[in-house]
Amino acid sequence: GENVEQHPSTLSVQEGDSAVIKCTYSDSASNYFPWYKQELGKRPQLIIDIRSNVGEKKDQRIAVTLNKTAKHFSLHITETQPEDSAVYFCAVTESGGGADGLTFGKGTHLIIQP
Amino acid sequence: NAGVTQTPKFQVLKTGQSMTLQCAQDMNHEYMSWYRQDPGMGLRLIHYSVGAGITDQGEVPNGYNVSRSTTEDFPLRLLSAAPSQTSVYFCASSYSYNSYGYTFGSGTRLTVV
Repeated sequence: GENVEQHPSTLSVQEGDSAVIKCTYSDSASNYFPWYKQELGKRPQLIIDIRSNVGEKKDQRIAVTLNKTAKHFSLHITETQPEDSAVYFCAVTESGGGADGLTFGKGTHLIIQP
Repeated sequence: NAGVTQTPKFQVLKTGQSMTLQCAQDMNHEYMSWYRQDPGMGLRLIHYSVGAGITDQGEVPNGYNVSRSTTEDFPLRLLSAAPSQTSVYFCASSYSYNSYGYTFGSGTRLTVV
């Protein structure tokens, strides 16, 4: 089955600096790569996603890049703010358009230092 | 739209007891799935369904059963609860092929003693 590795497990950055979280996956047939943000005690919330036919996608301060050849994708957060503190999960779908659920990385705890 | 509704929010079971975690969505989503979340492990797929009457196993299906008799509902049954099933359980749903965004319910925190 699919295997997703996420690094780092904890990331501490100064407010206003950038944060980058990276995920690698094993199944070359994976075709959809979402990122979820989870605040303490809350449900995961989709923040951005990218499909296999796109190399980069931006939404205000967040962006995702995908390198299908190397089988890795990254989340970039610029101008970090205190409300960005949370656990971030990458995920992938195996072939099938998302029908067979998501395989998640183990998460990155992002800490924004004031 | 209520989105994805999970009940109960909290539950304590004794070892060996059975129970059903409820999940309902009102968005006419074809795809539904169950995950468990344990500290340091991310979310792991238990079972999933692509439509009414169709279910399949995910990464960690042992000890759990599911059924999908309607598009709206996807209950998860614990047959004989074990302490290893102490976890937070999330249900999620999505439209089919052309829209991959999964919406999650608020979760059920289950403790087995």
